[in-house]
Amino acid sequence: QQQVKQSPQSLIVQKGGISIINCAYENTAFDYFPWYQQFPGKGPALLIAIRPDVSEKKEGRFTISFNKSAKQFSLHIMDSQPGDSATYFCAASNPGNQFYFGTGTSLTVIP
Amino acid sequence: DSGVTQTPKHLITATGQRVTLRCSPRSGDLSVYWYQQSLDQGLQFLIQYYNGEERAKGNILERFSAQQFPDLHSELNLSSLELGDSALYFCASTRQANYGYTFGSGTRLTVV
Repeated sequence: QQQVKQSPQSLIVQKGGISIINCAYENTAFDYFPWYQQFPGKGPALLIAIRPDVSEKKEGRFTISFNKSAKQFSLHIMDSQPGDSATYFCAASNPGNQFYFGTGTSLTVIP
Repeated sequence: DSGVTQTPKHLITATGQRVTLRCSPRSGDLSVYWYQQSLDQGLQFLIQYYNGEERAKGNILERFSAQQFPDLHSELNLSSLELGDSALYFCASTRQANYGYTFGSGTRLTVV
């Protein structure tokens, strides 16, 4: 059973556009929600993370929106650039620090 | 460089063989996690160690085993290898609970 559901599987965005990736979870014990960015041949790298006591977190062009009641969170990439082309994973962890990852979204930003 | 070191980077071996993947966590990180990444399965959690002790098990096959040594490096042993075991294997480490993982660059295993 997939603990964290991620969509879309792939996304193509024009340069300068907004990329939006969505995730949903069921387990209310999750208390930490990171996003990871992975380039081909590399390990995933922590991009941005949020805890459930806030509804939004912004770091540069990257924003996480968190809806605790709907058990959903999303990543927004503003002014998307070709260098943002990568695979993005959402994740959720429980207090035992076990992480559950979404299935990934392959983002392509077209110049 | 993330600070998590995985060796080897690439490994090609035949079916039925046994291999050992090695991971050195970031300095100060006590927890080590192993993940398998294949094209159609995403990141699958295999096993977690904390300060030498097994903490959690995921979808790890009985043919696979792991351990964490006193110096905190970890090894993942894969035996009786099958074609379907071909994947990227990632190690990650973390310092404390509710803190993001730091991933290594992975070991690409190809079973032929």
